[in-house]
Amino acid sequence: AQSVTQPDIHITVSEGASLELRCNYSYGATPYLFWYVQSPGQGLQLLLKYFSGDTLVQGIKGFEAEFKRSQSSFNLRKPSVHWSDAAEYFCAVGPSNTGNQFYFGTGTSLTVIP
Amino acid sequence: DVKVTQSSRYLVKRTGEKVFLECVQDMDHENMFWYRQDPGLGLRLIYFSYDVKMKEKGDIPEGYSVSREKKERFSLILESASTNQTSMYLCASSFPGVGNQPQHFGDGTRLSIL
Repeated sequence: AQSVTQPDIHITVSEGASLELRCNYSYGATPYLFWYVQSPGQGLQLLLKYFSGDTLVQGIKGFEAEFKRSQSSFNLRKPSVHWSDAAEYFCAVGPSNTGNQFYFGTGTSLTVIP
Repeated sequence: DVKVTQSSRYLVKRTGEKVFLECVQDMDHENMFWYRQDPGLGLRLIYFSYDVKMKEKGDIPEGYSVSREKKERFSLILESASTNQTSMYLCASSFPGVGNQPQHFGDGTRLSIL
């Protein structure tokens, strides 16, 4: 069965510091992988996605993620965090051909301190 | 700008009531989704629709039904509301394609059942 694990419930970083949010997945074949961000009081916004090809994926807002098949991971990174990046981040693993097998992780809450 | 609009941000209903949550998208998307978001559980799919009058059950369809009479509107119905349905409900939409993942989210409806 597909599953997504985000081991860190909450992370605090200083503004300007680098960030890495962890995501591990369980899937029988090469997965489609996604990261979303949810700002307070809002819906989710798609940051980036990986389907195939280059394992380093660039997204919006200066985020990137790297697919590592050997580690079953898809960690999200940002070299320098801004206060506006404080939000909830969700990793997700998607289906090959149907929308009802799309699984979200439980989320990582990011606090940015000045 | 693309938009998914949920009719209410906050809703308070009583146990046993029939509750309607409405979602409208203006992007002519085929796919529409209803998710439930609870702390520590992430997002869980309730129902998915890939076309008008078409629907598929997600992970937690019990106690819910949906209606998609027009392409732009996807309604979630709580047949007889119970306190364990108190939650944040998120609607999403997307074009069909590789991954079929939810692309655009509404801001959510926070539903309280008393």
